[in-house]
Amino acid sequence: KAGVTQTPRYLIKTRGQQVTLSCSPISGHRSVSWYQQTPGQGLQFLFEYFSETQRNKGNFPGRFSGRQFSNSRSEMNVSTLELGDSALYLCASSTDRANTEAFFGQGTRLTVV
Amino acid sequence: AQSVTQPDIHITVSEGASLELRCNYSYGATPYLFWYVQSPGQGLQLLLKYFSGDTLVQGIKGFEAEFKRSQSSFNLRKPSVHWSDAAEYFCAVASFGNEKLTFGTGTRLTIIP
Repeated sequence: KAGVTQTPRYLIKTRGQQVTLSCSPISGHRSVSWYQQTPGQGLQFLFEYFSETQRNKGNFPGRFSGRQFSNSRSEMNVSTLELGDSALYLCASSTDRANTEAFFGQGTRLTVV
Repeated sequence: AQSVTQPDIHITVSEGASLELRCNYSYGATPYLFWYVQSPGQGLQLLLKYFSGDTLVQGIKGFEAEFKRSQSSFNLRKPSVHWSDAAEYFCAVASFGNEKLTFGTGTRLTIIP
């Protein structure tokens, strides 16, 4: 069974640009969550989607958005990039409730220059 | 609001020695508790979880953790560490109806020969 796949693995963007990250969950999983990991703030919850609906959202500015498609694949978008958005972005999938057992992808390393 | 404290930023142990990583949580009701491990450049792998029932839970790779409600703790233990256990370890808490995981700041484990 394939794991959670995140693309791309690495990304370099310039301040002010926007970026889209993709996450393909484990087959059969309908919940997808996104986390930001930085040395200073640690792991912080961004949002969670279930059956194409955002079910929970963390304390991030509106520049951070996401969506989920009918096949459960999810994308997150960050507009008007800032240097502080440089981070490892992790996606996790689970069968139903995200708080029971989440399987994480390897992440996308975003560097903003 | 739920929170997690991992008081040890960095721990060094000798290969073959026992290990205990500390985790304290703050949450009003019965929490869901998790330990994850992260190797450099990788995503998070679930080691074990506690929802209810037996307070001593067994996980993968020979790890176990004990839930102590009176101390609000969920410490991770391993009787004999291997060089391959060197990684960063994260304790996390969630709850029924709250789909996000709240992570501690992590403990980096170094193994010396």
